[in-house]
Amino acid sequence: NAGVTQTPKFRILKIGQSMTLQCTQDMNHNYMYWYRQDPGMGLKLIYYSVGAGITDKGEVPNGYNVSRSTTEDFPLRLELAAPSQTSVYFCASRPRSNEKLFFGSGTQLSVL
Amino acid sequence: RKEVEQDPGPFNVPEGATVAFNCTYSNSASQSFFWYRQDCRKEPKLLMSVYSSGNEDGRFTAQLNRASQYISLLIRDSKLSDSATYLCVGDSMNRDDKIIFGKGTRLHILP
Repeated sequence: NAGVTQTPKFRILKIGQSMTLQCTQDMNHNYMYWYRQDPGMGLKLIYYSVGAGITDKGEVPNGYNVSRSTTEDFPLRLELAAPSQTSVYFCASRPRSNEKLFFGSGTQLSVL
Repeated sequence: RKEVEQDPGPFNVPEGATVAFNCTYSNSASQSFFWYRQDCRKEPKLLMSVYSSGNEDGRFTAQLNRASQYISLLIRDSKLSDSATYLCVGDSMNRDDKIIFGKGTRLHILP
């Protein structure tokens, strides 16, 4: 099983560029999450989704957008990249409430 | 009060020692708790689920104290490979399915 797959693994953006971080899972999980982790800091929740067509803001949603058109995919969009968005981004999924999270291997993003 | 709070450490512990750390949570409705382990710049990986009765997995023991709203992790006979950051998380029974992590506790096992 592939589990949770994130692409790309690394990316360098210029200020003002846009990009989409891809996240897909093949476990038919309803719940999906996007986190960012700055160096030496904890995980911060950006957005999450409890099913196709449903998305909600997390702790730090500003500067990001998400969509959930299918159960498998939960892309994260950066419209106008800023240096403050330099971080490692993790996508995670779980089948339902009260279950453990399955994480992707992360995307390291630098905005210069 | 933050949803989840942990002592960030670092805890510097000699190999073979026993180490314990706690995680306090603010949402008394939380039903499920987990400890994750994270190595530097890698994705978190589940270490243990935490059950009301407590649970043990080899050298690791997790406990839940609902009255005081904290969970604990005990590591016995610590190994160099236990050096990592340990993250706790609680789930909510509200209709809000956010999962908020604590900042994590850094553990360094010293040879």
